[in-house]
Amino acid sequence: EPEVTQTPSHQVTQMGQEVILRCVPISNHLYFYWYRQILGQKVEFLVSFYNNEISEKSEIFDDQFSVERPDGSNFTLKIRSTKLEDSAMYFCASSYSEETQYFGPGTRLLVL
Amino acid sequence: AQSVTQLGSHVSVSEGALVLLRCNYSSSVPPYLFWYVQYPNQGLQLLLKYTTGATLVKGINGFEAEFKKSETSFHLTKPSAHMSDAAEYFCAVTLRTGANNLFFGTGTRLTVIP
Repeated sequence: EPEVTQTPSHQVTQMGQEVILRCVPISNHLYFYWYRQILGQKVEFLVSFYNNEISEKSEIFDDQFSVERPDGSNFTLKIRSTKLEDSAMYFCASSYSEETQYFGPGTRLLVL
Repeated sequence: AQSVTQLGSHVSVSEGALVLLRCNYSSSVPPYLFWYVQYPNQGLQLLLKYTTGATLVKGINGFEAEFKKSETSFHLTKPSAHMSDAAEYFCAVTLRTGANNLFFGTGTRLTVIP
């Protein structure tokens, strides 16, 4: 069964450094998303992406964040200058229609 | 605006007992409704969803949920708990049209006692 994959599974970085989180969505899906889950809190929406552009973003998704689909398979989330409060589990999701989203296993980001 | 309330951050049941995890939602338009499960150190797995049609929906692992519009609820049930059901369960909603980002509840951690 096709699934969403994410790399790396864990990332440790120093405050102020740039990180890129990578996702490979399910191949025929058209909609792509990033969510995050701070430890002990609920999953929060960051951004959605469709037809090579951002379709929706939350208040969390400020100028420090960007997304890209550099080729036909990868979907990336870049944080330009990480802060301590960016430490979280980041989930990528994809969907074929505007209905059911399938999630990857997540990348746990720790900012020191 | 959409929101999801899950009553009970922790629920404990005995193996073989009924599982009931509560979810109430608030939405300006009829939403799509979902339950996701998160096993320790894993991602979110779709358990079941309600979009249209029959209000009682069945999912994987013997779980089911019933959409009750009058109560704005989408409670998750399983007749008989198994040890492998121990996990965190998240209820989520999304709009039927336009922005389709998921709004999650705070989650309910299910413990199954042998």
